[in-house]
Amino acid sequence: DSGVTQTPKHLITATGQRVTLRCSPRSGDLSVYWYQQSLDQGLQFLIQYYNGEERAKGNILERFSAQQFPDLHSELNLSSLELGDSALYFCASSPDSANYGYTFGSGTRLTVV
Amino acid sequence: AQSVTQPDIHITVSEGASLELRCNYSYGATPYLFWYVQSPGQGLQLLLKYFSGDTLVQGIKGFEAEFKRSQSSFNLRKPSVHWSDAAEYFCAGAKTSYDKVIFGPGTSLSVIP
Repeated sequence: DSGVTQTPKHLITATGQRVTLRCSPRSGDLSVYWYQQSLDQGLQFLIQYYNGEERAKGNILERFSAQQFPDLHSELNLSSLELGDSALYFCASSPDSANYGYTFGSGTRLTVV
Repeated sequence: AQSVTQPDIHITVSEGASLELRCNYSYGATPYLFWYVQSPGQGLQLLLKYFSGDTLVQGIKGFEAEFKRSQSSFNLRKPSVHWSDAAEYFCAGAKTSYDKVIFGPGTSLSVIP
Protein backbone atom coordinates (compact mmCIF):
# COMPACT_ATOMS: atom_id res chain seq x y z
CA ASP A 1 0.00 0.00 0.00
CA SER A 2 1.59 3.23 -1.23
CA GLY A 3 -0.61 5.46 0.93
CA VAL A 4 -2.26 7.06 -2.11
CA THR A 5 -5.85 5.87 -2.43
CA GLN A 6 -7.77 5.97 -5.66
CA THR A 7 -11.43 5.10 -6.08
CA PRO A 8 -13.03 3.43 -7.84
CA LYS A 9 -10.56 0.84 -9.12
CA HIS A 10 -12.67 0.07 -12.17
CA LEU A 11 -15.31 2.08 -13.96
CA ILE A 12 -17.35 1.15 -17.00
CA THR A 13 -19.54 3.81 -18.53
CA ALA A 14 -21.16 4.76 -21.81
CA THR A 15 -20.09 7.40 -24.29
CA GLY A 16 -21.37 10.86 -23.50
CA GLN A 17 -21.49 10.22 -19.76
CA ARG A 18 -19.65 11.99 -16.95
CA VAL A 19 -17.56 10.33 -14.25
CA THR A 20 -15.60 11.45 -11.20
CA LEU A 21 -12.37 9.83 -10.10
CA ARG A 22 -11.23 10.36 -6.55
CA CYS A 23 -7.76 10.47 -5.04
CA SER A 24 -6.61 10.75 -1.45
CA PRO A 25 -2.93 11.66 -1.24
CA ARG A 26 -0.42 10.14 1.14
CA SER A 27 -0.69 11.62 4.60
CA GLY A 28 1.17 14.92 4.76
CA ASP A 29 1.53 15.34 1.00
CA LEU A 30 0.30 18.65 -0.36
CA SER A 31 0.65 18.06 -4.10
CA VAL A 32 -1.55 15.86 -6.23
CA TYR A 33 -0.80 14.95 -9.82
CA TRP A 34 -3.06 13.26 -12.35
CA TYR A 35 -1.72 11.12 -15.18
CA GLN A 36 -3.45 9.23 -17.96
CA GLN A 37 -1.91 5.96 -19.16
CA SER A 38 -2.96 4.45 -22.47
CA LEU A 39 -1.31 2.01 -24.85
CA ASP A 40 -0.90 4.53 -27.65
CA GLN A 41 -0.03 7.66 -25.63
CA GLY A 42 1.87 6.19 -22.71
CA LEU A 43 1.85 8.15 -19.46
CA GLN A 44 0.58 11.66 -20.03
CA PHE A 45 0.61 14.37 -17.39
CA LEU A 46 -2.79 15.97 -16.98
CA ILE A 47 -2.72 18.41 -14.09
CA GLN A 48 -1.12 19.23 -10.73
CA TYR A 49 -2.64 20.76 -7.64
CA TYR A 50 -0.70 22.06 -4.70
CA ASN A 51 -2.45 22.82 -1.44
CA GLY A 52 -5.75 23.47 -3.17
CA GLU A 53 -4.47 25.51 -6.08
CA GLU A 54 -3.80 24.50 -9.66
CA ARG A 55 -0.03 24.53 -10.15
CA ALA A 56 0.61 23.04 -13.58
CA LYS A 57 -1.39 21.87 -16.55
CA GLY A 58 -0.47 19.32 -19.15
CA ASN A 59 -2.34 17.66 -21.97
CA ILE A 60 -5.71 17.88 -20.29
CA LEU A 61 -8.76 18.09 -22.52
CA GLU A 62 -11.33 20.83 -21.98
CA ARG A 63 -13.86 18.09 -21.20
CA PHE A 64 -11.75 17.16 -18.18
CA SER A 65 -11.44 19.17 -15.00
CA ALA A 66 -10.01 18.65 -11.56
CA GLN A 67 -9.94 20.20 -8.14
CA GLN A 68 -8.28 19.71 -4.79
CA PHE A 69 -10.34 20.15 -1.68
CA PRO A 70 -9.37 21.63 1.72
CA ASP A 71 -8.76 18.13 3.10
CA LEU A 72 -6.33 17.72 0.16
CA HIS A 73 -8.17 14.96 -1.61
CA SER A 74 -8.60 15.53 -5.32
CA GLU A 75 -11.21 14.69 -7.91
CA LEU A 76 -10.81 14.37 -11.65
CA ASN A 77 -14.01 14.95 -13.58
CA LEU A 78 -14.32 13.55 -17.08
CA SER A 79 -17.35 14.58 -19.12
CA SER A 80 -18.80 13.89 -22.57
CA LEU A 81 -16.81 10.70 -22.53
CA GLU A 82 -15.52 9.21 -25.76
CA LEU A 83 -14.22 5.74 -26.53
CA GLY A 84 -10.72 7.17 -26.69
CA ASP A 85 -10.90 8.26 -23.07
CA SER A 86 -10.63 4.63 -22.02
CA ALA A 87 -7.39 4.43 -20.06
CA LEU A 88 -5.79 4.01 -16.68
CA TYR A 89 -5.90 7.20 -14.66
CA PHE A 90 -3.25 7.55 -11.99
CA CYS A 91 -3.03 9.92 -9.13
CA ALA A 92 0.30 10.63 -7.49
CA SER A 93 1.26 12.78 -4.55
CA SER A 94 4.35 14.46 -3.17
CA PRO A 95 5.14 16.43 0.00
CA ASP A 96 5.43 19.77 -1.76
CA SER A 97 5.37 21.21 -5.26
CA ALA A 98 8.88 20.12 -6.16
CA ASN A 99 9.86 17.02 -8.15
CA TYR A 100 11.64 14.87 -5.64
CA GLY A 101 9.74 11.75 -6.55
CA TYR A 102 6.08 10.91 -6.55
CA THR A 103 4.06 8.28 -4.75
CA PHE A 104 1.51 6.75 -7.10
CA GLY A 105 -1.85 5.22 -6.40
CA SER A 106 -2.90 1.96 -8.02
CA GLY A 107 -5.04 3.75 -10.59
CA THR A 108 -8.60 3.78 -11.86
CA ARG A 109 -9.25 1.80 -15.02
CA LEU A 110 -11.89 3.59 -17.05
CA THR A 111 -13.64 1.77 -19.86
CA VAL A 112 -15.96 3.75 -22.10
CA VAL A 113 -18.34 1.62 -24.15
CA ALA B 1 11.22 19.51 -27.19
CA GLN B 2 12.25 18.20 -23.84
CA SER B 3 11.78 14.47 -23.72
CA VAL B 4 12.84 11.17 -22.33
CA THR B 5 13.36 8.20 -24.63
CA GLN B 6 13.75 4.52 -23.91
CA PRO B 7 15.13 2.78 -27.00
CA ASP B 8 14.13 -0.72 -25.95
CA ILE B 9 10.44 -1.59 -25.96
CA HIS B 10 10.96 -5.07 -24.58
CA ILE B 11 13.91 -6.92 -23.04
CA THR B 12 14.20 -10.54 -21.98
CA VAL B 13 16.90 -11.71 -19.59
CA SER B 14 17.60 -14.93 -17.75
CA GLU B 15 17.23 -15.03 -14.00
CA GLY B 16 20.58 -14.28 -12.39
CA ALA B 17 21.87 -12.37 -15.40
CA SER B 18 22.79 -8.70 -15.30
CA LEU B 19 20.44 -6.05 -16.59
CA GLU B 20 20.82 -2.65 -18.18
CA LEU B 21 17.84 -0.58 -19.31
CA ARG B 22 18.61 2.44 -21.44
CA CYS B 23 17.26 5.94 -21.05
CA ASN B 24 18.18 9.12 -22.92
CA TYR B 25 17.06 12.63 -22.16
CA SER B 26 17.03 15.84 -24.13
CA TYR B 27 17.11 18.47 -21.40
CA GLY B 28 19.73 21.17 -21.73
CA ALA B 29 20.94 21.52 -18.18
CA THR B 30 21.22 18.87 -15.52
CA PRO B 31 17.69 17.53 -15.33
CA TYR B 32 15.85 15.81 -12.55
CA LEU B 33 15.79 12.14 -13.55
CA PHE B 34 13.87 9.19 -12.18
CA TRP B 35 13.29 5.50 -12.72
CA TYR B 36 9.94 3.99 -11.83
CA VAL B 37 8.72 0.39 -11.97
CA GLN B 38 5.17 -0.75 -12.65
CA SER B 39 4.16 -4.30 -11.88
CA PRO B 40 1.06 -5.68 -13.60
CA GLY B 41 -2.11 -4.13 -12.21
CA GLN B 42 -0.14 -1.83 -9.94
CA GLY B 43 0.77 1.80 -9.79
CA LEU B 44 4.27 3.11 -10.37
CA GLN B 45 6.91 2.81 -7.68
CA LEU B 46 9.93 5.08 -7.49
CA LEU B 47 13.18 3.10 -7.80
CA LEU B 48 15.67 5.95 -7.67
CA LYS B 49 16.25 9.57 -8.55
CA TYR B 50 19.08 11.88 -9.59
CA PHE B 51 19.28 15.63 -9.08
CA SER B 52 22.96 16.42 -8.72
CA GLY B 53 26.15 15.21 -7.12
CA ASP B 54 27.44 11.66 -7.44
CA THR B 55 26.54 10.39 -10.89
CA LEU B 56 26.00 6.84 -9.66
CA VAL B 57 22.83 6.59 -7.62
CA GLN B 58 21.59 3.65 -5.64
CA GLY B 59 17.95 2.76 -5.42
CA ILE B 60 15.65 0.22 -3.91
CA LYS B 61 15.50 -3.49 -4.81
CA GLY B 62 19.20 -3.58 -5.72
CA PHE B 63 18.94 -1.18 -8.68
CA GLU B 64 21.39 1.56 -9.54
CA ALA B 65 21.60 4.13 -12.31
CA GLU B 66 24.41 6.19 -13.75
CA PHE B 67 24.01 9.72 -15.04
CA LYS B 68 26.26 10.44 -18.03
CA ARG B 69 26.01 14.01 -19.22
CA SER B 70 28.25 13.40 -22.25
CA GLN B 71 25.86 10.73 -23.51
CA SER B 72 22.64 12.32 -22.22
CA SER B 73 21.87 9.00 -20.62
CA PHE B 74 20.59 7.68 -17.33
CA ASN B 75 20.73 3.90 -17.64
CA LEU B 76 19.32 1.58 -15.01
CA ARG B 77 21.33 -1.46 -13.94
CA LYS B 78 21.03 -4.47 -11.73
CA PRO B 79 23.80 -7.06 -11.33
CA SER B 80 21.56 -10.09 -10.91
CA VAL B 81 17.93 -10.16 -11.98
CA HIS B 82 15.25 -12.01 -10.02
CA TRP B 83 12.03 -13.37 -11.50
CA SER B 84 10.11 -10.83 -9.44
CA ASP B 85 11.81 -8.01 -11.38
CA ALA B 86 9.61 -8.74 -14.41
CA ALA B 87 7.66 -5.51 -14.87
CA GLU B 88 7.44 -2.31 -16.89
CA TYR B 89 10.19 0.21 -16.24
CA PHE B 90 9.78 3.92 -16.89
CA CYS B 91 12.45 6.55 -17.09
CA ALA B 92 11.20 10.05 -16.33
CA GLY B 93 12.62 13.54 -16.23
CA ALA B 94 11.93 17.17 -15.53
CA LYS B 95 13.86 20.26 -16.53
CA THR B 96 13.77 21.73 -13.04
CA SER B 97 12.42 20.74 -9.69
CA TYR B 98 9.15 22.55 -10.45
CA ASP B 99 8.55 21.42 -14.02
CA LYS B 100 6.15 18.66 -14.91
CA VAL B 101 7.66 15.20 -15.00
CA ILE B 102 7.67 13.60 -18.44
CA PHE B 103 7.71 9.84 -18.66
CA GLY B 104 9.39 7.76 -21.32
CA PRO B 105 7.44 5.08 -23.20
CA GLY B 106 8.61 2.33 -20.90
CA THR B 107 10.60 -0.89 -21.29
CA SER B 108 8.90 -4.17 -20.59
CA LEU B 109 11.20 -6.65 -18.83
CA SER B 110 10.63 -10.40 -19.01
CA VAL B 111 12.70 -12.77 -16.88
CA ILE B 112 13.30 -16.35 -18.00
CA PRO B 113 13.70 -18.87 -15.17
